[in-house]
Amino acid sequence: RKEVEQDPGPFNVPEGATVAFNCTYSNSASQSFFWYRQDCRKEPKLLMSVYSSGNEDGRFTAQLNRASQYISLLIRDSKLSDSATYLCVPCLGQGGKLIFGQGTELSVKP
Amino acid sequence: GAVVSQHPSWVICKSGTSVKIECRSLDFQATTMFWYRQFPKQSLMLMATSNEGSKATYEQGVEKDKFLINHASLTLSTLTVTSAHPEDSSFYICSATTGLYNEQFFGPGTRLTVL
Repeated sequence: RKEVEQDPGPFNVPEGATVAFNCTYSNSASQSFFWYRQDCRKEPKLLMSVYSSGNEDGRFTAQLNRASQYISLLIRDSKLSDSATYLCVPCLGQGGKLIFGQGTELSVKP
Repeated sequence: GAVVSQHPSWVICKSGTSVKIECRSLDFQATTMFWYRQFPKQSLMLMATSNEGSKATYEQGVEKDKFLINHASLTLSTLTVTSAHPEDSSFYICSATTGLYNEQFFGPGTRLTVL
């Protein structure tokens, strides 16, 4: 089983749509979780940190279910600028090692 | 805050030469820095974890004598790709963390092409 599993997409959605990404992770020792976005040929940028059952930041809502080892990211009212690859990233507490998967590609169309 | 710079942003070199990449945390002190490599259409692969003043910890399969890491201060880590070969061509990205919440802040990356 992969350490992090995400639907690779691409998700093609119109502007203004609501889109949800799902993620499962295999290591139950993961202590903290992050969503990063990565634009083509660029570095990952931190989008949200997820420490408890979930949190919201503007149009973005993340939810965490530790029992199911499942994390989700909801984007409301999507913008053209939201087009990117979204990376669900668990962190192993020891040494702060982040576990990256391939991410989910989102393409928002006019 | 939490800005990480990386230099150079791209480099082209001949096979057999060595290339040094610098990673700096500009507005915070980084207890730990990480070096990653990313091939096209693939996920980031952690190469090594670097703590200031101590030897880097390399991931399995990463040759420590080929990828030399020096973490001289709390704001600077360097990665030297020694005797580079075409298969070393990749996107090298560093990240830094304050250690507070395990969030990592990434540098803009260095695109290495070995001819």
